Parts: sequence; structure tokens; C-alpha cells
Amino acid sequence: AQSVTQLGSHVSVSEGALVLLRCNYSSSVPPYLFWYVQYPNQGLQLLLKYTTGATLVKGINGFEAEFKKSETSFHLTKPSAHMSDAAEYFCAETSYDKVIFGPGTSLSVIP
Amino acid sequence: DAGVIQSPRHEVTEMGQEVTLRCKPISGHDYLFWYRQTMMRGLELLIYFNNNVPIDDSGMPEDRFSAKMPNASFSTLKIQPSEPRDSAVYFCASSISRRHEQYFGPGTRLTVT
Repeated sequence: AQSVTQLGSHVSVSEGALVLLRCNYSSSVPPYLFWYVQYPNQGLQLLLKYTTGATLVKGINGFEAEFKKSETSFHLTKPSAHMSDAAEYFCAETSYDKVIFGPGTSLSVIP
Repeated sequence: DAGVIQSPRHEVTEMGQEVTLRCKPISGHDYLFWYRQTMMRGLELLIYFNNNVPIDDSGMPEDRFSAKMPNASFSTLKIQPSEPRDSAVYFCASSISRRHEQYFGPGTRLTVT
């Protein structure tokens, strides 16, 4: 069965440190991949997406992610964490017949 | 555009009562999705529609749950009768296609006592 895994349900980083949130997908067909962010008491909103073309994609708030087919990964990074980045992050994959969200990673930023 | 609109934002009801959640998708979006989010189970896809037709309802937990989309600008998720274990945040999302990004509403926080 298709699945999206996110390593680490909780990640803590210091303010100014690198943020790395991991995502692996399982689709055997070319996937569309997404990262969404959810702030407390809000709905999910799109951070960035990969469909085709350039494998390094940039999103809002300084985040970026790289599609690596050989590793079936789509990890999310940000060079320098800010307090406002504290939120829940979801990786998602869509293929021809499925929409699959990962379980989410809660990011805490320590001052 | 106003984005995806959901109502009510909060709903508190007693066990056994009927609950109706409402959603207005973004104009021009052909797909509408209903999700449920809880601490225990995370984000679960309940059902989705394409052009007002239900395509996949395999995520609907049981017959107490039903969803309709009478037209392109309105959908409802009904729970009858409601139970305490239905307490969750319910999200509606819309998209131009199943493969493209989804736009989420603010959610309805349901509490069943």
C-alpha cells in the first residue's frame, strides 16, 4: 500500500539553527509531492510543491525541499529557524488515484 | 477569493444529536475533500467529490456519517446520531484536481458530550 512516512513526530531546534524535516514516499509512479504547514487552531496551508521539472523547490517563509527519486525522499529544510516556524508540518503525496498525507511532524523552536 | 469557508467554527452537542457541518469550496475547484483530525489518529481523509459526485468514501467511519454535495458551491457532512468519539476537528478542502494542492478551510471543532 502506498504510504508517506515522516521520521520524527516531534523535532526541536534552536532559533537560528537548521531545520530538517524528513519525508519519504512510496509511490512507484511519478508523484506530486507537497509540504503543508498547520499553525495552532488553523487549517493546513501549502508551503511548497513538486510536480515536474526542477527537483529543488522553494516555498514560502524561506523553506525549500528537494525531490530525490533514488531515495524516494522529499525532505524539507530551512537554513535558520525562527520562532514563528513552530507548527505542525505535513508531507503529502498524490498519484493517479490516491491522496496520502503523512502523520505530521511537530516543530518546536527553542529561543 | 475568500478561500474555503466552513461553518460553524465550533459545535458542541450532546450524544445522540444530529450534527451538520458545512463547506463552501473555492469557486472553480472541481474537487472537494472532507478530513477529520484527532490527536490519536492524525489527519484522516473521509470522502472526496469530483464535480459534485462522491468518488471515494472508503474513509467514512460508519453509516452514521454521510456527506452530500448538492451543487458546486456547497457540501455538507452529517453525523447522525453523534457520539463522543466523533469529537475532532473536521476540515474541508478543495482543489482544481485530485493531484494538485489542496486549499483547506479553517475547520470545525466538534465536541460531543
